Amino acid sequence: AQKVTQAQTEISVVEKEDVTLDCVYETRDTTYYLFWYKQPPSGELVFLIRRNSFDEQNEISGRYSWNFQKSTSSFNFTITASQVVDSAVYFCALSATDSWGKLQFGAGTQVVVTP
Amino acid sequence: AAGVIQSPRHLIKEKRETATLKCYPIPRHDTVYWYQQGPGQDPQFLISFYEKMQSDKGSIPDRFSAQQFSDYHSELNMSSLELGDSALYFCASSPSERRSENIQYFGAGTRLSVL
Repeated sequence: AQKVTQAQTEISVVEKEDVTLDCVYETRDTTYYLFWYKQPPSGELVFLIRRNSFDEQNEISGRYSWNFQKSTSSFNFTITASQVVDSAVYFCALSATDSWGKLQFGAGTQVVVTP
Repeated sequence: AAGVIQSPRHLIKEKRETATLKCYPIPRHDTVYWYQQGPGQDPQFLISFYEKMQSDKGSIPDRFSAQQFSDYHSELNMSSLELGDSALYFCASSPSERRSENIQYFGAGTRLSVL
């Protein structure tokens, strides 16, 4: 069975501050994929990033960056220089080989960015 | 680019009524997933289809059924609706094959309110 834990319920920042979202996962599979999705107030779920279990290289994509550490089963996500439009609920999700793509989501972290 | 289309966007039903939610996947995506997101909760996997066959089943009530048609669109049928069925229902699609690495692209969701 898989489990995703997002311990932060809500994070409030002022515009231009950086915000880091924590995600810890559990799985017995050796091959798995980790995702971050964004859910703005309008309700849709927007795919942000994906990382597979064999690639621990951390990357930056625009204002987004992620830190995948297999040793601690963590997949943290950072928004640099936050903007008001970043206000949303952010979900970390896990997909493992034995679940054929079924996403296991964390509880989500509400990010509030104020001007 | 074409996205996942869900209809209707909003639906209001009375208890014990039935509801049908429709999902049109991204062209050339033959895998469809359904998720249920209760208020303040993370999305929970209900059921998935690959090439018109049910491929996985989550915590879907027996009162619910779903199918995928020859044009790959999918319908979620919900009968004997209960107050607790009020939620946001997402459909997601991914490219061919049931693979955990596939990115699932979500529709805007159908918000079901049971009164």
